[in-house]
Amino acid sequence: DQQVKQNSPSLSVQEGRISILNCDYTNSMFDYFLWYKKYPAEGPTFLISISSIKDKNEDGRFTVFLNKSAKHLSLHIVPSQPGDSAVYFCAASHLGGYNKLIFGAGTRLAVHP
Amino acid sequence: EPEVTQTPSHQVTQMGQEVILRCVPISNHLYFYWYRQILGQKVEFLVSFYNNEISEKSEIFDDQFSVERPDGSNFTLKIRSTKLEDSAMYFCAKKNTEAFFGQGTRLTVV
Repeated sequence: DQQVKQNSPSLSVQEGRISILNCDYTNSMFDYFLWYKKYPAEGPTFLISISSIKDKNEDGRFTVFLNKSAKHLSLHIVPSQPGDSAVYFCAASHLGGYNKLIFGAGTRLAVHP
Repeated sequence: EPEVTQTPSHQVTQMGQEVILRCVPISNHLYFYWYRQILGQKVEFLVSFYNNEISEKSEIFDDQFSVERPDGSNFTLKIRSTKLEDSAMYFCAKKNTEAFFGQGTRLTVV
């Protein structure tokens, strides 16, 4: 039951350029979306989130865009840095309460000089 | 945001043995979770714990699994009789809106 999909297992970007990571979801009841960054043998680290009442949220180099009609969100990293190299997970939830996160399969981002 | 600390960082156990994974949320959050990630796969929800009770569990969380918050601070996941397929990274998390994860416990069942 893949409610959250990240169809690109990997992405390679040159340092200084934009990285765009994509995520699709199928459950229209989701109203809160998050991006996490993960290094090997570490826990996911929260990056940025967006609720369904917005279509854009920005935090420094990271911007998340939400297209509810297409059930699609994306994470833009500008400019990309070598330290951004990691696996990025998209997650979806229902806002508030104890609702669990449903994760995508992840996209491995490699930023090279 | 205060850290979530998990112990041990790595545990190797023989198939059929019991293991207890520990988490110290260090906060007054009400909602706590366990997730796991089998090598190369997605992070999967196991169980949510609210107000000292299980609020939701996945189909993975069968009778071999249990959770407790024995002293109001530590949060434990017990696997009664481990199987080879239980080998994974196990993450504890606390949540208001965003979930904050611990660094994980790597469980290896041999």
